[in-house]
Amino acid sequence: GAGVSQTPSNKVTEKGKYVELRCDPISGHTALYWYRQSLGQGPEFLIYFQGTGAADDSGLPNDRFFAVRPEGSVSTLKIQRTERGDSAVYLCASSLNVAREQYFGPGTRLTVT
Amino acid sequence: SQQGEEDPQALSIQEGENATMNCSYKTSINNLQWYRQNSGRGLVHLILIRSNEREKHSGRLRVTLDTSKKSSSLLITASRAADTASYFCATVTNYGQNFVFGPGTRLSVLP
Repeated sequence: GAGVSQTPSNKVTEKGKYVELRCDPISGHTALYWYRQSLGQGPEFLIYFQGTGAADDSGLPNDRFFAVRPEGSVSTLKIQRTERGDSAVYLCASSLNVAREQYFGPGTRLTVT
Repeated sequence: SQQGEEDPQALSIQEGENATMNCSYKTSINNLQWYRQNSGRGLVHLILIRSNEREKHSGRLRVTLDTSKKSSSLLITASRAADTASYFCATVTNYGQNFVFGPGTRLSVLP
């Protein structure tokens, strides 16, 4: 595709609910990254995939967060039992390969009420 | 802890002036990258400098890297109002491939 796309652009959910955020990377990019960003802060690394496997998930804050990339393209970030502190913009990025420049999607703004 | 830390946190200049932002980091790196983020938008890659490079140019952008001081600087020359944005440095380390972003420098270019 032309760029990294993320859906939905906005998601409002109630505390305790489950949410899925989707990322569609640039075609041919093997590396895919998830970040979250709070207002006035830099992106906080969550997890990155090289192909289908999670190469580094050290940034996931706890076991309520999980991400998959089953076919090495589209990725889904899953958050269980959402908490108000999960409210943030969730950014996805892809790159041709690890350590190369990343191309970011527009983000999903998650609000937990 | 943050790997990259930008300095200053905020910078306000007049159009036409140069803007300099600095980034310090803590561990050995494979490369360092600078990104721009306009308010409410996604990040845009500006420039990548490898650990064996000392300076790189791209248009009005000049990036330097001093691995002995573990620091980098981004210079924007002849600034324009459209350069108003937050600027982030991000490091890719040798022992791990995750990206670590600093808190950013908020640049305001006044017309």
